[in-house]
Amino acid sequence: QKEVEQNSGPLSVPEGAIASLNCTYSDRVSQSFFWYRQYSGKSPELIMSIYSNGDKEDGRFTAQLNKASQYVSLLIRDSQPSDSATYLCAVILGANTGTASKLTFGTGTRLQVTL
Amino acid sequence: KAGVTQTPRYLIKTRGQQVTLSCSPISGHRSVSWYQQTPGQGLQFLFEYFSETQRNKGNFPGRFSGRQFSNSRSEMNVSTLELGDSALYLCASSMTSVSLNEQYFGPGTRLTVT
Repeated sequence: QKEVEQNSGPLSVPEGAIASLNCTYSDRVSQSFFWYRQYSGKSPELIMSIYSNGDKEDGRFTAQLNKASQYVSLLIRDSQPSDSATYLCAVILGANTGTASKLTFGTGTRLQVTL
Repeated sequence: KAGVTQTPRYLIKTRGQQVTLSCSPISGHRSVSWYQQTPGQGLQFLFEYFSETQRNKGNFPGRFSGRQFSNSRSEMNVSTLELGDSALYLCASSMTSVSLNEQYFGPGTRLTVT
């Protein structure tokens, strides 16, 4: 089992729809979770961070975390063609020891928003 | 506030040579992490520096090394380059070296080894 797993896609959604991106992780004591967006040829850009169970909203983006199920997701409402990119789930595996900053990434899900 | 900067942006080297990449973190950030991104392996953690000390290291051979200076700028070095070292090398900065801190990536250095 991979430490952080994502469906590679592509996930195709029509413009204006909700895109739902999912991620599972292996270490149940992990506490820090991040979503990055990466356009082709560019570096990852931080979209959301989430540390507690439940939902966290920022504009059109909502991150959802369920630690019991070891599952984190990203919802993009009113999807736009400019949202077409690869979305990377990143987790700091393990408990927060106060000195751990190693991000473990999933392979990313490619999102295509169609007109 | 200026973002993370990396130099050079592109490099072409020959097998067996060595290379040094540079990263300047966001002002006020003291932690710098390095990652390698390849199509086959995705994004993989190389190492992290905080206050000039290596705090964390990934599963890469000893040919990969790094350091951090007192102004938080960091360099990574790859010696005896191999073809498989061709990749996008990314550095990320965060305020401190704790797991609740968000990391922000620079534009990367694309290294091609021929």
